[in-house]
Amino acid sequence: GQNIDQPTEMTATEGAIVQINCTYQTSGFNGLFWYQQHAGEAPTFLSYNVLDGLEEKGRFSSFLSRSKGYSYLLLKELQMKDSASYLCSDNYGQNFVFGPGTRLSVLP
Amino acid sequence: DGGITQSPKYLFRKEGQNVTLSCEQNLNHDAMYWYRQDPGQGLRLIYYSQIVNDFQKGDIAEGYSVSREKKESFPLTVTSAQKNPTAFYLCASSIKGPGANVLTFGAGSRLTVL
Repeated sequence: GQNIDQPTEMTATEGAIVQINCTYQTSGFNGLFWYQQHAGEAPTFLSYNVLDGLEEKGRFSSFLSRSKGYSYLLLKELQMKDSASYLCSDNYGQNFVFGPGTRLSVLP
Repeated sequence: DGGITQSPKYLFRKEGQNVTLSCEQNLNHDAMYWYRQDPGQGLRLIYYSQIVNDFQKGDIAEGYSVSREKKESFPLTVTSAQKNPTAFYLCASSIKGPGANVLTFGAGSRLTVL
């Protein structure tokens, strides 16, 4: 199957670090994506992993372990504007499957 | 600037009516997708198209129809057969081909059935 699980909600403080986990169960794996979606807006691409390990892009990093079917998105130096939903997505074949999204609230 | 344009942004429909949501892209992407998003749920795939004049059903295609007569356009019709059409609809596109490609999304269309 193509089930993707991630926590529904998380809360963190401005300036802190937060880790959003994602587990997936799929075959024909072609990459694990993270998107950011502000309320009422379109998702925008954040990060992508196809090989095991850590990919760093500024304040955002994403990690993948294919053997464990596990990924996480790490957000450093949190800012208020980081309050959004974070969607984990698996690319298999020519299709994309999304998890339920994690709604992150950043508090002052 | 290249991108995806969805219209209308907000749409109200009476029960029993068909409505069509527009999606146009000027990114020269081969693949286009329609997703539905409900509160607390992830994006669910309705239909996708990898090439002009060809499209495939996604996980929740019942009550929806699409066409792909031009590379740039992939309109979605929500028919009266769709029992619960109130949702946020997102169109996306990507470069064709197997392997991982980033999805580019439109701004979305919010449909409400009265």
